[in-house]
Amino acid sequence: GQNIDQPTEMTATEGAIVQINCTYQTSGFNGLFWYQQHAGEAPTFLSYNVLDGLEEKGRFSSFLSRSKGYSYLLLKELQMKDSASYLCAVRDSWGKLQFGAGTQVVVTP
Amino acid sequence: ETGVTQTPRHLVMGMTNKKSLKCEQHLGHNAMYWYKQSAKKPLELMFVYSLEERVENNSVPSRFSPECPNSSHLFLHLHTLQPEDSALYLCASSQDETGHPTFGSGTRLTVV
Repeated sequence: GQNIDQPTEMTATEGAIVQINCTYQTSGFNGLFWYQQHAGEAPTFLSYNVLDGLEEKGRFSSFLSRSKGYSYLLLKELQMKDSASYLCAVRDSWGKLQFGAGTQVVVTP
Repeated sequence: ETGVTQTPRHLVMGMTNKKSLKCEQHLGHNAMYWYKQSAKKPLELMFVYSLEERVENNSVPSRFSPECPNSSHLFLHLHTLQPEDSALYLCASSQDETGHPTFGSGTRLTVV
């Protein structure tokens, strides 16, 4: 079956670095997405990986290893506003986007 | 604002009521989606419309009925819902079915 796994919750201190891991087993692979969702708000697109390697966008980076079925989202220089849920999603070979349950990141002062 | 607007933001309805959720996108996209988000569970894709034609219905009960009158508007008609249907209903749009979806803020639905 299709499976997207990510930790339920992570806590980190302001200014620190947090790495959110995502492992997946899907019917084929056509790209991996990360979204950020603040409570009561829309999920917003953060990054897209389709080839192996690291994509960097300011304080956020996303890594993909297709052979391992693995990705991570790295959040650097954490700020209080980064407290949110982070969703990993994989597009399978049918074009369907499968989501994980999300990782709640709590940033403490 | 993401360019995808959903109304209402909150809805409480009885099990015998009929109500509709509305979604409008201002991004010029040609694909629209309904997702259900329940606490601690992955987003569940309910319906996909591409060029105003329904291309996917993920075994959703018939008490949920989508309507896509044009490429900018999407509705979800609700009737005789169950308490377990209480959830956040998210609308999204994308350029083709291969683009990344842009989400609205959702309608928080409570069935009593």
